[in-house]
Amino acid sequence: EDKVVQSPLSLVVHEGDTVTLNCSYEVTNFRSLLWYKQEKKAPTFLFMLTSSGIEKKSGRLSSILDKKELFSILNITATQTGDSAVYLCAVEATEKLVFGKGTKLTVNP
Amino acid sequence: KAGVTQTPRYLIKTRGQQVTLSCSPISGHRSVSWYQQTPGQGLQFLFEYFSETQRNKGNFPGRFSGRQFSNSRSEMNVSTLELGDSALYLCASSFGLGTQETQYFGPGTRLLVL
Repeated sequence: EDKVVQSPLSLVVHEGDTVTLNCSYEVTNFRSLLWYKQEKKAPTFLFMLTSSGIEKKSGRLSSILDKKELFSILNITATQTGDSAVYLCAVEATEKLVFGKGTKLTVNP
Repeated sequence: KAGVTQTPRYLIKTRGQQVTLSCSPISGHRSVSWYQQTPGQGLQFLFEYFSETQRNKGNFPGRFSGRQFSNSRSEMNVSTLELGDSALYLCASSFGLGTQETQYFGPGTRLLVL
């Protein structure tokens, strides 16, 4: 059975902290791994990862994929209150998308 | 507990036809949201239903509609299909309304419009 597991389920930090969110997966016919930020009902696309070891960066956010160990991490440096959201990891397999349950990040001022 | 189920899993239609997709939420969940994902893009929110009422709506044309039944199952209908409607349609359920509610996603329905 395909599955995506995210950890931790929730996280509370202070502004300025650095956080690492984890996503491990077991799927057949892996195509890509995607990260989303969900503040309201419509998740916002962050990254798509297809190759191992290549870090993708966007501002204070970065992510990397390890296809051998079947996991990905999402790093957020110098966190801000606006980073508070649920971060979703999803793995694209043949003809389907499998989501993790998300990590709820709360950044306190 | 069974997860969110969506039927059918795959569909092929031609332009101008209409299609109905079904979503059964996790038992006890009353909120169902629908999303569209096209290749290379993120999820786009279609609408959300709670207690048989549409509570939120995304920026999609009126050809996209939905409804929710008393058992919380939801259907989404797309009329007069266009090629650009080819996408993965995802349904997510949660216990209640609100952005703090954890959503659980179904496997999606892959729609191909020829």
